[in-house]
Amino acid sequence: NAGVTQTPKFRVLKTGQSMTLLCAQDMNHEYMYWYRQDPGMGLRLIHYSVGEGTTAKGEVPDGYNVSRLKKQNFLLGLESAAPSQTSVYFCASGHQGGGENQPQHFGDGTRLSIL
Amino acid sequence: AQSVTQLDSQVPVFEEAPVELRCNYSSSVSVYLFWYVQYPNQGLQLLLKYLSGSTLVKGINGFEAEFNKSQTSFHLRKPSVHISDTAEYFCAVSEAQAGTALIFGKGTTLSVSS
Repeated sequence: NAGVTQTPKFRVLKTGQSMTLLCAQDMNHEYMYWYRQDPGMGLRLIHYSVGEGTTAKGEVPDGYNVSRLKKQNFLLGLESAAPSQTSVYFCASGHQGGGENQPQHFGDGTRLSIL
Repeated sequence: AQSVTQLDSQVPVFEEAPVELRCNYSSSVSVYLFWYVQYPNQGLQLLLKYLSGSTLVKGINGFEAEFNKSQTSFHLRKPSVHISDTAEYFCAVSEAQAGTALIFGKGTTLSVSS
């Protein structure tokens, strides 16, 4: 049972390069989320999706785009990487139903460095 | 909108001592409350959650938390900590409805020494 899988686990980019982070979940969850974690800042929501084909902005969406073409996958794109986007990125997923529809399941994170 | 304040950024304790990690929240609507733990170089693991009902919530690894609506707090406690409890702990809140994301506090680093 894989749960939430993030690819890649580590990446180093040069300023201006683009890349896509992949999040895959095998729990048939409706909701998926991308967060970034920075020292002393906790986790901040970048974008989220409440279902296949839908996305919405979170707290810090600038410089990122997302897509949810398939229910199990949630892609996070960096169009033109900047040093301020150096961070650890976490994907999370959650399912519908009463009070259980919270992002309780997190991936192990992607450590991204922008030089 | 919701917000979360974790009152201590670092909490050093000795092994087998009790510990309390403090969390206050603000919200104009009903909320769900959570505590997550993050061990070094790992993702987040759910410790416990409050959705409704009993205000005393028990979680994994011997942790518990008490929801206090009047004081808008959700403090995490453990009566006797172990070295293995050394980690970063995050308090989080969300609106009590489907699909809303978590709002996290900035984290508390618990350091347990012998």
